Amino acid sequence: QQQVKQSPQSLIVQKGGISIINCAYENTAFDYFPWYQQFPGKGPALLIAIRPDVSEKKEGRFTISFNKSAKQFSLHIMDSQPGDSATYFCAASIANTGTASKLTFGTGTRLQVTL
Amino acid sequence: NAGVTQTPKFRILKIGQSMTLQCTQDMNHNYMYWYRQDPGMGLKLIYYSVGAGITDKGEVPNGYNVSRSTTEDFPLRLELAAPSQTSVYFCASSYGQFNEQFFGPGTRLTVL
Repeated sequence: QQQVKQSPQSLIVQKGGISIINCAYENTAFDYFPWYQQFPGKGPALLIAIRPDVSEKKEGRFTISFNKSAKQFSLHIMDSQPGDSATYFCAASIANTGTASKLTFGTGTRLQVTL
Repeated sequence: NAGVTQTPKFRILKIGQSMTLQCTQDMNHNYMYWYRQDPGMGLKLIYYSVGAGITDKGEVPNGYNVSRSTTEDFPLRLELAAPSQTSVYFCASSYGQFNEQFFGPGTRLTVL
């Protein structure tokens, strides 16, 4: 059972353009939504995260938009750069269970930013 | 401060062999995790630990075992390797349950 659906599977964007990656979740108990960035041969690294009490969070060129009623959240990369070329994973977890934050990951989006 | 380190980087096993994937973190994190990453499938949680001596199953624990005797180390054991265990394995750690998970560089395992 895939609890977090991510799209698209791959994305090609021109330098300076906006990259948009979408995720949808099923479990309404999820209350922590991070995005991870992974370069080839490396482990994932946290990019930005949001809690459902806000609809948007911005850090530099990266913005998460969150729609609780639609159970969807998305990552927007403004002014995309070739250095942003990587695989991006959305994830979700229930943060208040009193135990470890068990992340459920989406299947990933491979982003390529062309010159 | 090395963060999360994993050994080996690559390994080829024959069916039925056993091995231990090592994971060490030097950030004094309480929580540690093991994930596997298969192409097009994202990362799946295998086991996790909330502290020394405490471990629990994740989403895909079958065929694996873990132990946590110290805060720093969280080894993953494969007892009878199977081709279905061919994957990239990532260890991660976090200070608390709500905190960022830091990932190691991964171990690429092939079972033939």
